[in-house]
Amino acid sequence: DSGVTQTPKHLITATGQRVTLRCSPRSGDLSVYWYQQSLDQGLQFLIQYYNGEERAKGNILERFSAQQFPDLHSELNLSSLELGDSALYFCASSVEDRGTQYFGPGTRLTVL
Amino acid sequence: GNSVTQMEGPVTLSEEAFLTINCTYTATGYPSLFWYVQYPGEGLQLLLKATKADDKGSNKGFEATYRKETTSFHLEKGSVQVSDSAVYFCALSDRGVERRGAQKLVFGQGTRLTINP
Repeated sequence: DSGVTQTPKHLITATGQRVTLRCSPRSGDLSVYWYQQSLDQGLQFLIQYYNGEERAKGNILERFSAQQFPDLHSELNLSSLELGDSALYFCASSVEDRGTQYFGPGTRLTVL
Repeated sequence: GNSVTQMEGPVTLSEEAFLTINCTYTATGYPSLFWYVQYPGEGLQLLLKATKADDKGSNKGFEATYRKETTSFHLEKGSVQVSDSAVYFCALSDRGVERRGAQKLVFGQGTRLTINP
């Protein structure tokens, strides 16, 4: 157990819908990262937050957004969902804006 | 840009065989290198890491040495077990020459390992 929690574990929804994925980092970690794992793209970095502020953006679509709250948990919002958004979404955390990243168990999103 | 290339899978071995999974990278600056493992139905677990050239990371019988001259970080284990069956990911993080900026992990495509009894 890495200490990073993600909810929900599974999510099934329809095209065009909007969902929110939640992540709680390890106790004491200030930085949260989101990654997408899909069969065709592999593991791709989406976005990073550090102590409430956006720190880096990767291959994140405009339909996707994230935020980190004062209690340091983070949410990834996915809207206007398409079939191709079906993937495993991982959250990771680290103590600062660098250092070893510890991953949560992931949320499996299925868009029908 | 930064990239990681892993040997193609899947890899199938018998129990107690010697394992090597090749990983090479391309990066600017001073990357740290990682191996993560993903067991069936689970998230990614950090297996080992190395933060500078010639460092050797080790854990659970697995080892990898950071080779800057060959830009490699090959994963090895002397005697694999059925419980080692999983997908293994090589990754790097690079904060650039100035050692600043946010850190993201760049992953290889993963190598699926199956160990038969």
